[in-house]
Amino acid sequence: DTGVSQDPRHKITKRGQNVTFRCDPISEHNRLYWYRQTLGQGPEFLTYFQNEAQLEKSRLLSDRFSAERPKGSFSTLEIQRTEQGDSAMYLCASGRESAMNTEAFFGQGTRLTVV
Amino acid sequence: QQPVQSPQAVILREGEDAVINCSSSKALYSVHWYRQKHGEAPVFLMILLKGGEQKGHDKISASFNEKKQQSSLYLTASQLSYSGTYFCGTEIQGAQKLVFGQGTRLTINP
Repeated sequence: DTGVSQDPRHKITKRGQNVTFRCDPISEHNRLYWYRQTLGQGPEFLTYFQNEAQLEKSRLLSDRFSAERPKGSFSTLEIQRTEQGDSAMYLCASGRESAMNTEAFFGQGTRLTVV
Repeated sequence: QQPVQSPQAVILREGEDAVINCSSSKALYSVHWYRQKHGEAPVFLMILLKGGEQKGHDKISASFNEKKQQSSLYLTASQLSYSGTYFCGTEIQGAQKLVFGQGTRLTINP
């Protein structure tokens, strides 16, 4: 058990480019979350997977954002046509059970800077 | 829907106690507490489920008042390692996600 792993740790991109982030959850965790965090704020929910099924997606998430979790293992978050407002820390978390009464563990995050 | 944390920031001397509060306008199913140090991932501290139970480990404990939809995190005899930003994450029953507060920045000075 090596914890939740995210790649890359840092990404600088030009406005208008597409970026993709990867999250490897703790093995056998069937819950996987993506959150976004800006400086001085708490993590903001983006989307949630239970196994390979994407069960919820925040209304704050524009159509430029898409997430997948093929085979219920790792997940990817893609942002198309990036904007400066997309600059943030993107956090992935995973949990063992299907219910929220167990802890969720966060990865180290991917810091995105859009210039 | 975002829970409100108070205070926003607190500065203590090593050995002093602190209380961080988390309030929601919605009926809660669970409250999760995390601590985040600068540049690092949030680290899980504890979960409190509906039922008003109190939990704790080491010198950090928490309570959940179901009637008031409030949770409090208690840090006693604070240590330098307790410094960081504390977040509460709240779950509304059936929501399957956590909504986090804006955080409470705790600074412990020697």
